[in-house]
Amino acid sequence: DSGVTQTPKHLITATGQRVTLRCSPRSGDLSVYWYQQSLDQGLQFLIQYYNGEERAKGNILERFSAQQFPDLHSELNLSSLELGDSALYFCASSDGPNYEQYFGPGTRLTVT
Amino acid sequence: AQKVTQAQTEISVVEKEDVTLDCVYETRDTTYYLFWYKQPPSGELVFLIRRNSFDEQNEISGRYSWNFQKSTSSFNFTITASQVVDSAVYFCALIHTSGTYKYIFGTGTRLKVLA
Repeated sequence: DSGVTQTPKHLITATGQRVTLRCSPRSGDLSVYWYQQSLDQGLQFLIQYYNGEERAKGNILERFSAQQFPDLHSELNLSSLELGDSALYFCASSDGPNYEQYFGPGTRLTVT
Repeated sequence: AQKVTQAQTEISVVEKEDVTLDCVYETRDTTYYLFWYKQPPSGELVFLIRRNSFDEQNEISGRYSWNFQKSTSSFNFTITASQVVDSAVYFCALIHTSGTYKYIFGTGTRLKVLA
């Protein structure tokens, strides 16, 4: 158990809808990362927050947004969902930006 | 551009064989960090090792060993006397630190260890 929790585990929704994925980092970790893992694209870095502030951005679509709250939990919002957004979404946390990341169990999103 | 290449998509070995997973990276940074992660069938990624660009010492942890060679931009991972429980997808990753941080993962190598 990495200490990182993600909810929900599974999510099935329709095209055009909006969903929110939630992540609680390991105790004491200030950095939170979001990744998308799909079969054809591998593991893609989306965005990183450090102590509430956005620190790095990867291949995140404009339809997606994230935030990190004062209690350090983070949410990833996905809107105007398309079939191609179906994937496993991982949250990870670390002690700092150069350190190893500890991954949550992921949220499997299926868009129908 | 920064890139991580894991050319081996899938490897199958018989239990007790040694196996090496290759990782080649590209970066112009002088300061960077390399990682290996394991993703077992359960799905959760597990951290295995971290290396910074100034530390070329090879590392051994039980049956696992890592060979970091800056001259060839490689960070290879060897499992000695493989076991069925080693069956997983293994990812090599790079943190690029100049300017905006980038977190780059290779496409992974699926290792199947057969009993």
